[in-house]
Amino acid sequence: IAGITQAPTSQILAAGRRMTLRCTQDMRHNAMYWYRQDLGLGLRLIHYSNTAGTTGKGEVPDGYSVSRANTDDFPLTLASAVPSQTSVYFCASSDLPGGTAEAFFGQGTRLTVV
Amino acid sequence: AQSVTQLGSHVSVSEGALVLLRCNYSSSVPPYLFWYVQYPNQGLQLLLKYTSAATLVKGINGFEAEFKKSETSFHLTKPSAHMSDAAEYFCAVSDTSGTYKYIFGTGTRLKVLA
Repeated sequence: IAGITQAPTSQILAAGRRMTLRCTQDMRHNAMYWYRQDLGLGLRLIHYSNTAGTTGKGEVPDGYSVSRANTDDFPLTLASAVPSQTSVYFCASSDLPGGTAEAFFGQGTRLTVV
Repeated sequence: AQSVTQLGSHVSVSEGALVLLRCNYSSSVPPYLFWYVQYPNQGLQLLLKYTSAATLVKGINGFEAEFKKSETSFHLTKPSAHMSDAAEYFCAVSDTSGTYKYIFGTGTRLKVLA
């Protein structure tokens, strides 16, 4: 049972560098999401995709981009990393609309920008 | 726009005591509501969900929550706390109108005292 796979597990990145966080799901879910988790702020939505070929902005999209070329993959790119993007990033998917309505989460990517 | 407010960023209870974690939501359309639990260095795991069926929802590990529309609340309870319940708990709301985004509260860290 895989569910959602995120890579890498952790990364230390120099400021100004480009980085892509990978996310793959094997549940054939239509919807996918990227969140960042910061102490005291909970999980904040960065970008989402309701179906392959479409994406939307969440609460904190600046500095991030996503693509959804197929159902299974939803990579998150930081074009030019800054220290404020140090966070734990979670990818999720759900079978909305309809289905169980449950969001399934990956194990997270811990990113440190120095 | 939807939002979630969790009252109390930290809650401490004695082992065997009642657990009550508070969540209030705001939504312009009938919501789906969720409680997730996060153990250290892990992803989020679904505890329970409300999707417009029974207003009293039972979840895993003895937790339950009651949807109260008049109070816009979805508080999480457990009659008797166990040491293994120590974790961070997140309330979330998702809309049923087409965007299918999950908006999370800032989380409540539960500490169980021996």
